[in-house]
Amino acid sequence: DIVMTQSPLSLSVTPGESASISCRSSQSLLHPEGHHYVEWYLQKPGQSPHLLIYLSSIRASGVPDRFSGSGSGTDFTLKISRVEAEDAGIYYCMQALETSYSFGQGTKLEVK
Amino acid sequence: QVQLQESGPGLAKPSQTLTLTCTVSGVSISSGSFYWMWIRQPAGKGLEWIGRFYTTGSTNYSPSFKSRVTISVDPSKNQFSLNLKSVTAADTATYYCATRRGSIGYAVTDDYMDVWGEGTTVTVSS
Repeated sequence: DIVMTQSPLSLSVTPGESASISCRSSQSLLHPEGHHYVEWYLQKPGQSPHLLIYLSSIRASGVPDRFSGSGSGTDFTLKISRVEAEDAGIYYCMQALETSYSFGQGTKLEVK
Repeated sequence: QVQLQESGPGLAKPSQTLTLTCTVSGVSISSGSFYWMWIRQPAGKGLEWIGRFYTTGSTNYSPSFKSRVTISVDPSKNQFSLNLKSVTAADTATYYCATRRGSIGYAVTDDYMDVWGEGTTVTVSS
């Protein structure tokens, strides 16, 4: 199994600031065709998770360009620029390289 | 627009088999190229991927569930289901169904069209 480890597990930011969340995988998420199979989800309070980023850096349909993903190999980052109150929630990374997907523990973002 | 709605018993007894159903609207479950998936989340905890059924008929399961789980599709009802055998209190969670486009007929970078249901809560207790 591929283990996904996120850091930090919580962070607090002021509206307008930037926030970064890291995700490290226990093995490379690089597919032979050249893409990294890591995704980012946001679960707002009381809601189902929704997809933000796939293939490490591609924003899902409708996701604001304040959200960006980067990284390679085993280290990946989600950056949120100009944080807004509506960005509060728990962020999860997930690997989709193996046919058995796996999530990180989650990072709780508080917007002060 | 694809929409998903989970349904289930709410309460299950230990050692029983849990069956959850996801009703799909907006697309035919037997057409196109889609993954039909189940994910769960114990209260106050993180997400746990359970498994998926692909349009071709193939299935993949998490090793954590492999011996206990079956995901199947009922095209006549446009539903897919999760069967989880021998449940214990550790299986108490909110269960989500989800879908995304598959690989056949799409470029790798095409939008995933990822959709989740609202979730159904299951408590395992005698």
